[in-house]
Amino acid sequence: AQTVTQSQPEMSVQEAETVTLSCTYDTSESDYYLFWYKQPPSRQMILVIRQEAYKQQNATENRFSVNFQKAAKSFSLKISDSQLGDAAMYFCAYRAAGGATNKLIFGTGTLLAVQP
Amino acid sequence: KAGVTQTPRYLIKTRGQQVTLSCSPISGHRSVSWYQQTPGQGLQFLFEYFSETQRNKGNFPGRFSGRQFSNSRSEMNVSTLELGDSALYLCASSRVGELDTQYFGPGTRLTVL
Repeated sequence: AQTVTQSQPEMSVQEAETVTLSCTYDTSESDYYLFWYKQPPSRQMILVIRQEAYKQQNATENRFSVNFQKAAKSFSLKISDSQLGDAAMYFCAYRAAGGATNKLIFGTGTLLAVQP
Repeated sequence: KAGVTQTPRYLIKTRGQQVTLSCSPISGHRSVSWYQQTPGQGLQFLFEYFSETQRNKGNFPGRFSGRQFSNSRSEMNVSTLELGDSALYLCASSRVGELDTQYFGPGTRLTVL
């Protein structure tokens, strides 16, 4: 069974600084998708960034980028120029490829605080 | 375009009662998934529907059930509520393509007393 592990329950960063959130996963599949979702205090889950496992190039979305290490089964999220609005719970998630299911397997989350 | 809507947003029930939660997906989305979020267990997959058919189910007791209607709206039902069912229930919708993003609703906060 696939699992997703986030070993940092809480992180803190100064406004305008850079922070990296860690995520590791376990799967025997060679093709899959990885996601980072953000859940602010409003509880609305928002997709931050997505990575297809067959793509070697790391995904980037504005200030958010990932470091995808397929062999190490590692998928970290880097937030550059942190803003107060980035404060939220961040979840790493895995989804199998193949189109048979949209089921997401989530990690336990990392609570990010942004200090002014 | 309207986002995923969930009703009601908050619900208080007592043990033994049953509850029905509703999810209206984004227009054009035919896949709907449900998740339970609790402080202790985190985010857990409940079930997934596509074109009125359940195509995947999580490891939850039979008290949890769901269905999807022809307009893609989905409902989930929990019978004989237990205190441990108190949670945020999230619904997500997507198109049918493998690369399509899942969009989440705001959730329904269920409290069981």
